[in-house]
Amino acid sequence: KQEVTQIPAALSVPEGENLVLNCSFTDSAIYNLQWFRQDPGKGLTSLLLIQSSQREQTSGRLNASLDKSSGRSTLYIAASQPGDSATYLCAVQGAQKLVFGQGTRLTINP
Amino acid sequence: DAGVIQSPRHEVTEMGQEVTLRCKPISGHDYPFWYRQTMMRGLELLIYFNNNVPIDDSGMPEDRFSAKMPNASFSTLKIQPSEPRDSAVYFCASSLNRLNQPQHFGDGTRLSIL
Repeated sequence: KQEVTQIPAALSVPEGENLVLNCSFTDSAIYNLQWFRQDPGKGLTSLLLIQSSQREQTSGRLNASLDKSSGRSTLYIAASQPGDSATYLCAVQGAQKLVFGQGTRLTINP
Repeated sequence: DAGVIQSPRHEVTEMGQEVTLRCKPISGHDYPFWYRQTMMRGLELLIYFNNNVPIDDSGMPEDRFSAKMPNASFSTLKIQPSEPRDSAVYFCASSLNRLNQPQHFGDGTRLSIL
């Protein structure tokens, strides 16, 4: 059974810092890994999708990496802004379903 | 472009009542999904469809839960009878392709069963 873990559960940093969120998964037989953002009272917004054959994806200030063999992914956020404050979830797509981690609640302090 | 639309946004009802949640997937997305999110269990897949046919309902917790897709633009999730432990946020999502495209989520229905 696939298990996805995100550490830390919460993170607070001052504005302007670069930061890294971590995601690990137990079963490397995946089709892709996705990073989502969730704002309070809202649904999930897809940020990046990395196919199993890829090593990284970039979108603006966001860069996600995937090391399938070690079961790890990181989401790098450059020059953080208060608007980046949200919960970030990673999810791995297996043959049956998308399995989510519990998320990292990120707070960027002005 | 319109995203996934869910209704109602909030629902408060007494235990034993029937609850119906509604979803309009993004037009052209052949894969609608229903998820449930709680603090204890996080985000869990309940069921998904392809071309209006339920493909995997192994996440549906009990027979009290049922989901239908009468056409490509509308899906319902029904709970009958409802219980307090069903209180959660229920999300509908859709995607073009189940394995290689991102899922797009609605804003959810926050359900409270008293």
